[in-house]
Amino acid sequence: DIVMTQSPDSLPVSLGERATINCKSSQSVLYSSNNKNYLAWYQQKPGQPPKLLLYWASTRESGVPDRFSGSGSGTDFTLTISSLQAEDVAVYYCQQYYTNARTFGQGTKVEIK
Amino acid sequence: QVQLVESGGGAVQPGRSLRLSCAASGFTFSRFAMHWVRQAPGKGLEWVAFISYDGSDTYYADSVQGRLSISRDNSQNTLYLHMDSLRAEDTAVYYCARGRDGYISSWGQGTLVTVSS
Repeated sequence: DIVMTQSPDSLPVSLGERATINCKSSQSVLYSSNNKNYLAWYQQKPGQPPKLLLYWASTRESGVPDRFSGSGSGTDFTLTISSLQAEDVAVYYCQQYYTNARTFGQGTKVEIK
Repeated sequence: QVQLVESGGGAVQPGRSLRLSCAASGFTFSRFAMHWVRQAPGKGLEWVAFISYDGSDTYYADSVQGRLSISRDNSQNTLYLHMDSLRAEDTAVYYCARGRDGYISSWGQGTLVTVSS
């Protein structure tokens, strides 16, 4: 199975500042035939189910604020929150869907500094 | 809008069986692949199982292969997870989720399964 490793585990950020979360896969999730990275990002707030933020590594889901962006290719990916808002406090997960056995990263907890 | 409502969770003894259900509404259920994802108390997300739109393909996490079985009834707009030989490490909130182009696009609220003697 592909192992997804996120860093850091915890990220304290001041309101209005940038938050950057990294996600690394143990093998490439870039499908060469369509040049797409099979990587999604989810946000989970306390007591709630996860919510899809981004797919194909950088495509924002409908309704997701544009302060959320994704980048990267192959094995290294980044989720960036350009200006942290109070409502962004959550745990963020990356997930690969390149293989039949989908796998998640361990999660990164974003909190207010 | 998409609604996924899980049911069937509860407390069960190790070695026993349980069946979870997920009632889908707000979309054409028979056109979408579905997943089960679980989350142990205070832990991260663990993908559990996938079933194609017509039920012809299923895939499982290694940790549940042979003990958990995903199925669906498109005539009833319902997804199932049959859980056999339950272990303490199966204790988790189980989420039903809709697939879209391979990733998960929508999630239910989850149902808690507690395996304990």
